[in-house]
Formats: sequence, structure tokens, C-alpha cells
Amino acid sequence: DSGVTQTPKHLITATGQRVTLRCSPRSGDLSVYWYQQSLDQGLQFLIHYYNGEERAKGNILERFSAQQFPDLHSELNLSSLELGDSALYFCASSPRGGGHGYTFGSGTRLTVV
Amino acid sequence: EDQVTQSPEALRLQEGESSSLNCSYTVSGLRGLFWYRQDPGKGPEFLFTLYSAGEEKEKERLKATLTKKESFLHITAPKPEDSATYLCAVLYLRGGGADGLTFGKGTHLIIQP
Repeated sequence: DSGVTQTPKHLITATGQRVTLRCSPRSGDLSVYWYQQSLDQGLQFLIHYYNGEERAKGNILERFSAQQFPDLHSELNLSSLELGDSALYFCASSPRGGGHGYTFGSGTRLTVV
Repeated sequence: EDQVTQSPEALRLQEGESSSLNCSYTVSGLRGLFWYRQDPGKGPEFLFTLYSAGEEKEKERLKATLTKKESFLHITAPKPEDSATYLCAVLYLRGGGADGLTFGKGTHLIIQP
């Protein structure tokens, strides 16, 4: 157990739908990062939150959004889902931002049918 | 273009047969190079961070080294439990303050008993 908790572990939904993925960071970690892993693209950075504020965006689509709440858990919202959004979504946390060992959760496997 | 390239894509070794994995990068303003291990269906597990050329770090049968353009992960006398995908990632100065890791596509390592 890495200390980073992601729910749900698996999610199957239809095209056009909206889903929410949840992440609880390791105790004491203020930064939460979201990554998408697909077979052809590998691990892609989506977005970074630090202590409730958005810090940086990577290759995140406009249909996707995220937020970090006062208790530091984070949610990734995916809307108007397409078949190509099927992937593993990972959350990682670290004590601060950048330059440190990030701890990853076990991921949410999203299948869009 | 790919900024982080890992080679080989796949490697099959006999137990006890030492080898090296390569990670080359083309980014400037490197803030850190990370190695992770990922088992099927799980999140990446942090192994090492290297910050400057010439730096080396060791952990059990693994040793990571860094030059100005590449990093090597040396595996000495590997065991079957070392079988996994090894991921390399870089953190570098980017416009807009983006600070997520940029990953290579990994080397899939199989150690046969």
C-alpha cells in the first residue's frame, strides 16, 4: 500500500457520459498530480494541484477538469467521454511540488464502451 | 518529438545475467531524472531520483547513473522478481510553470529462472 488511495479501481461507462475519479493523497502530502496511461501514449501528465490550488496543466483535454478540496483529496472529472479516453488514470502525491519522489496510487481503469 | 527515449523496449534475461537499461533525454534545464518500476495493473513504484551528471544511486541489485544526456539503470545478477516495466521520467523547466514528470515509454524486463 503506497498510501495514495484511488477509487474506484475499475469503471465501465458509455460514450458521452461523465465520470468522477477520486484520489486521497498520502498523509501530509500537499501536492496531487493526475496522469493518464494508455498503451500507445504511455504515462501523460494531466494536471497538478498544490494545497487546493491549480499549479500546472499538462496534456489535459478541455472535457477534463479537476479540483482539490480543503481536506486535500482530489477529484478528476471526465465528461463527454469518447472511446479514446479508455485508459488507466493515476494519481500521485508528494510533500511539495516538483523535484521530489512522487508516490503513485494503484490507478483507476476506465473503459468507455 | 520524444523528449525521453528508453531502450530497449523489451529485454529478456536469464536469472543472474546482468544488463543495463538506457534512458536518453533531450530536454534542457533538467531538475531531476526519476526511475520507477511498474508491475502489471499497478501504479509506478519510485526507485531513484538523480539530480546532476555524475550522480549514482544504488538499491539492492539496481544502480542508476546519470550523464548530461542519458541515464542508465544497471541490474546486477537479476532475479525473477525483478521482472517489471522500468520507467524513466524527467522533470525540467518548462514555460508556464508546468512541473509534471515527462515519462519514457518504458523497458519491459523479463527475468527467466
